[in-house]
Amino acid sequence: EVQLVESGGGLVQPGRSLRLSCAASGFTFDDYAMHWVRQAPGKGLEWVSGISWNSGSAGYADSVKGRFTISRDNAKNSLYLQMNSLRPEDTAFYYCAKDMEPSASSVDYWGQGTLVTVSS
Amino acid sequence: SHELTQPPSVSVSPGQTARITCSGDALPKQYASWYQQKPGQAPVVVIYKDTERPSGIPERFSGSSSGTTVTLTISGVQAEDEADYYCQSADSSGAYLVFGGGTKLTVL
Repeated sequence: EVQLVESGGGLVQPGRSLRLSCAASGFTFDDYAMHWVRQAPGKGLEWVSGISWNSGSAGYADSVKGRFTISRDNAKNSLYLQMNSLRPEDTAFYYCAKDMEPSASSVDYWGQGTLVTVSS
Repeated sequence: SHELTQPPSVSVSPGQTARITCSGDALPKQYASWYQQKPGQAPVVVIYKDTERPSGIPERFSGSSSGTTVTLTISGVQAEDEADYYCQSADSSGAYLVFGGGTKLTVL
């Protein structure tokens, strides 16, 4: 059974940093691209960042480019998102998501999400 | 980057057919997927590669593609189908995903 478990969310002040983690199990982690997708309360889904199976390529939404960094550790079956210079508009549920392919194509499994609240 | 456009809302009566469209210039070249999201839950994929249905998804869910528009069709809508639906595609280089704005399906 595929499981994606996010951690690291919480309340943080504007301008500070936070690191999200995603522990994956139930599939061959290093065969697939992985993504972070966020959803602000009452809003739609927004792709944040994705990384290919071997970390050879990574992409970012314009809204986070230069502030967020995605990474993965295939030996630990883990995905990460380093979030710096956080803004109130970054407040959202952050979902870890598994792609169906080695590079970005479509998501077939989602975690339950971790809430990030940016507020003073 | 490309954009995907969905209607904000669709309403149907139980037993009728619901059609949700998604338009984007890149769709003739890129596959689309559809996700169902119920309140307080993570999204679930109901269609991928335009027309493929994952195991466990009821047969009443189907997808189609024509030019710059993909369509999610739910035949014989049930009350439990009331949810938000999102289309999604990827760029040609395999670097990023894009989501439509979402459509709220209301079962009257």
